[in-house]
Amino acid sequence: QTVVTQEPSFSVSPGGTVTLTCGLSSDSVSPNYYPSWYQQTPGQAPRTLIHSTNIRSSGVPDRFSGSILGNKAALTITGAQADDESDYYCVLYMGGGSWVFGGGTKLTVL
Amino acid sequence: EVQLVESGGGLVKPGGSLRLSCAASGFMFSYYNMNWVRQAPGKGLEWVSSISSSGSYIYYADSMQGRFTISRDNAKKSLYLQMNSLRAEDTAVYYCARGDNGDYAWGQGTLVTVSS
Repeated sequence: QTVVTQEPSFSVSPGGTVTLTCGLSSDSVSPNYYPSWYQQTPGQAPRTLIHSTNIRSSGVPDRFSGSILGNKAALTITGAQADDESDYYCVLYMGGGSWVFGGGTKLTVL
Repeated sequence: EVQLVESGGGLVKPGGSLRLSCAASGFMFSYYNMNWVRQAPGKGLEWVSSISSSGSYIYYADSMQGRFTISRDNAKKSLYLQMNSLRAEDTAVYYCARGDNGDYAWGQGTLVTVSS
């Protein structure tokens, strides 16, 4: 059973920088997993931020960036704003058409 | 503007069936792979199924294999999810999502509640 791991929660000060990570229980994350990131606020549909490791989706501000850090995928938010307070999900491609989401990170801006 | 509008959700008894639909507009539907992703109340996102642009390639999450059937009608610009043998744990908001490689455009979702 493949498990995609994310920090359950994280906090950042307004204007600060935060890096959320997305790992695998059984392997290192590489671009071959097409790591992607989504933002979701309560009661709303998810919004795509980053796909294929580091490609920003249309309309996403450049203070959101994706990368591989060590053996994990990472989402970095630079200059955090109050409305960045959301749940963030990553997803990894497992091959054979299959995708697995992480459990999500609840980001607090305070 | 890309629009994806899901419908067909509702309350169904355990063991029952439901067919979800997703009406697409604002883009060339037949060019894109399509997906279903669900979210149980208070829980995270879960990939359900994907279908290629032509419908030739279809994939399911293991827990849905054999119970759910994804399909599409490119002439009607619509995506479908036939769900059979529904269980309480299938209770979720079901999102239609356009695209592949994680580059998704999302619908607003439709709620499916499985309860007696």
